[in-house]
Amino acid sequence: KAGVTQTPRYLIKTRGQQVTLSCSPISGHRSVSWYQQTPGQGLQFLFEYFSETQRNKGNFPGRFSGRQFSNSRSEMNVSTLELGDSALYLCASSPGGTANQPQHFGDGTRLSIL
Amino acid sequence: AQSVTQPDIHITVSEGASLELRCNYSYGATPYLFWYVQSPGQGLQLLLKYFSGDTLVQGIKGFEAEFKRSQSSFNLRKPSVHWSDAAEYFCAVGDDNYGQNFVFGPGTRLSVLP
Repeated sequence: KAGVTQTPRYLIKTRGQQVTLSCSPISGHRSVSWYQQTPGQGLQFLFEYFSETQRNKGNFPGRFSGRQFSNSRSEMNVSTLELGDSALYLCASSPGGTANQPQHFGDGTRLSIL
Repeated sequence: AQSVTQPDIHITVSEGASLELRCNYSYGATPYLFWYVQSPGQGLQLLLKYFSGDTLVQGIKGFEAEFKRSQSSFNLRKPSVHWSDAAEYFCAVGDDNYGQNFVFGPGTRLSVLP
């Protein structure tokens, strides 16, 4: 069974630009969560999507948004990029039918802002 | 809100020695607890989970963890460390709200001496 796939693996952008990251969950998984990982703040929860609806949201500004498609693939968008947005963005999937199921993570997208 | 602390930022052990990584959580109800491992440049891999029942749980790669409610702890152990265990280890807690909203600890970096 294929794992969680995130594309692209690396991305370089400049301040003020916007970016879209993609995540393909494990087949059959309906929940997709996004996390931001930085050396200073660690792993922080961004949001979770289940059946094309945002089910949970972390404490990030509105510049961070996401969506989920009918095939459970998810995208995350960050607008008006800031230097502090440089991070590893991780996507995780789970079946999603009940709470607190173990999440399966992708290898992440490394976003660098110049 | 739930929180997780991992008191040790960095631990160094010799190959073949035993290992214990500490994790303390703050949560009002019965927690859902997880340990994940992250190798450089990769995503997180689930080592083990605790939901209820037996307080000693077995995971992959020879790891185990013990849930102690009285101490709000969920420490990870391994009787004999291998060089390939060098990585960063994260403890996480989920709440009982419907969905996937994990709070991760800051991580403990494990170095293994030959």
